[in-house]
Amino acid sequence: SQQGEEDPQALSIQEGENATMNCSYKTSINNLQWYRQNSGRGLVHLILIRSNEREKHSGRLRVTLDTSKKSSSLLITASRAADTASYFCATGETGANSKLTFGKGITLSVRP
Amino acid sequence: KAGVTQTPRYLIKTRGQQVTLSCSPISGHRSVSWYQQTPGQGLQFLFEYFSETQRNKGNFPGRFSGRQFSNSRSEMNVSTLELGDSALYLCASGGGAFSYNEQFFGPGTRLTVL
Repeated sequence: SQQGEEDPQALSIQEGENATMNCSYKTSINNLQWYRQNSGRGLVHLILIRSNEREKHSGRLRVTLDTSKKSSSLLITASRAADTASYFCATGETGANSKLTFGKGITLSVRP
Repeated sequence: KAGVTQTPRYLIKTRGQQVTLSCSPISGHRSVSWYQQTPGQGLQFLFEYFSETQRNKGNFPGRFSGRQFSNSRSEMNVSTLELGDSALYLCASGGGAFSYNEQFFGPGTRLTVL
């Protein structure tokens, strides 16, 4: 079953614009991660934010986490055509059933 | 360091057959997880291995099984293939003790069942 749900499902922007993607989840988490996948290939880890953190930056990426609202957002600034990919949020869950649970993904298209 | 490798990259089988997929994690990684990705269901967790022990299993029928060897390499097996098993099978390894931390994914094995 899906834990994270991304919003929107698809996003199309012009090169140079910012892209904001949102993720909501349902249960308690240890961390929340964002991954990128280029057309049917393996996933690439982008950033991890722990449940006790509120904001994290990595290059052109900024991720926020609001555990009270069970939501996260990923901002990609100054987007490039090479950012065109599918983006997934994944929640890291601890306990007896510890695992990563992925959302269905957001398709981002950056027009040159 | 070499990344996660998966073999074969592409596979075509017919219904009723069985298939074995292989995954070699990043050197030093002892945690290996498997995921099935389909357009309809997205990324679904199959199982996780750590030091040759299966620690967690997703909601898949018993036709899906796996194992991990002493060198951390892992295999998954699907018996009595069904059309719905057509998917991209992704393997991921992690440097920590738990699969809920950062995972490094292989390129996947694209399985087509005819």
